[in-house]
Parts: sequence; structure tokens; C-alpha cells
Amino acid sequence: NAGVTQTPKFQVLKTGQSMTLQCAQDMNHEYMSWYRQDPGMGLRLIHYSVGAGITDQGEVPNGYNVSRSTTEDFPLRLLSAAPSQTSVYFCASSYSRQYYGYTFGSGTRLTVV
Amino acid sequence: DAKTTQPTSMDCAEGRAANLPCNHSTISGNEYVYWYRQIHSQGPQYIIHGLKNNETNEMASLIITEDRKSSTLILPHATLRDTAVYYCIVRGANFGNEKLTFGTGTRLTIIP
Repeated sequence: NAGVTQTPKFQVLKTGQSMTLQCAQDMNHEYMSWYRQDPGMGLRLIHYSVGAGITDQGEVPNGYNVSRSTTEDFPLRLLSAAPSQTSVYFCASSYSRQYYGYTFGSGTRLTVV
Repeated sequence: DAKTTQPTSMDCAEGRAANLPCNHSTISGNEYVYWYRQIHSQGPQYIIHGLKNNETNEMASLIITEDRKSSTLILPHATLRDTAVYYCIVRGANFGNEKLTFGTGTRLTIIP
């Protein structure tokens, strides 16, 4: 089925560990982005990409890396996990035109202990 | 991107029309207004968007004022499944500026 697929759905990390959150879309969307959502708050943009090989920082990029080697995939890497990175992470994609809506994944719930 | 202002919460009786307001007084002429909703902790769901004309789809209607400084999302016959947080967002118009900036949204509760 067409859409945005995020894996894993749940993850527990120890402080200092690294991991990669996966995001894949099969809609040939140019634009992809990562958001985090903390309890009672709206979504905050971490990183985004307007096409393969092009990435840029969002509102809260510290502690996260991204790359975009293909149109389909946009992984988010946590370099050294901290408890402050405990959050729900959402990946979204869209055609690169302002009149197209975003499609969001179902989220990855990450806990750092 | 223009900032938006929404009420923190609203209630609406089941079967009635839910009208959710949004102020975006600093919107630029080529920026679109988008509405999304988030049910429980699911990923946000696209509802509708518009530039300056009123828009309607199978989910909702969007009314944008003539000066484009505010808009209203209308759910014509609210059901319990419409209980969610609704986000009004202004999307950047230029290439490379398509990112969405979310506020805290309006928590809509549909009352039986």
C-alpha cells in the first residue's frame, strides 16, 4: 500500500547508544521531513529534505543526523541518545509543491533511559 | 513562515457543525493555509488547504477571509470520531521552504 512507513514502532535505548529510525515512502515524493512530538506539544521539525542529496536543518536539529541517498528513504540517526530525546518521531513526505498535502507515517515511540 | 493562532480547546455537540477558527495575520500573498488533525497519538492527517478561495472536500470546508488574515475550518456534521487536535498551518511557498510549522493546535472534543 502506498504511504509512509516508519520502523521501528517502539524502541528503548540506553543513554549514549546510537540508532537509526527508518522512513520510506513509495509515492515518489521529493520532499521528506522528520518531526518530534513531546507530550502536550505540537510537532517540531528536526530535519527535512527537498530531494535526493539535499537536506537541511529544521527547528531542533541538535543530536540528529540525516541523509537522503534515494528518493524513497530518509533515515534519522541519533548519534548519542539522551533522555531529552525521548519522544514520538514522525516522518512525513509530500510532492514539492505547496498545494499538496503531507502524508505522515504512524510514528516511532522512542524512550531513552 | 507566518505564525498561526488557534484556541486551545473547543467542544461541539455530535451532529452539529464544528467551526474551528485560525488567525494568520502575517501570511504572505503566495502562502497556502493547511489544516491537519491528529487523533490520539497517530500521525497527523491532512484535511484541506486553500489559498484565497473557499474550499470544500469530503471531509470539511475551509473559509478564508478576503484579507486572508484568518480562516475557519468547518466540519459540517461532527461525529465522535472527529475528536482530535486540529492544526492550522501556513506553508512556505518557495522551493526549499515547503516545511510545515506546527503550533499547539485546537483540541476539539465532540460531545455525545
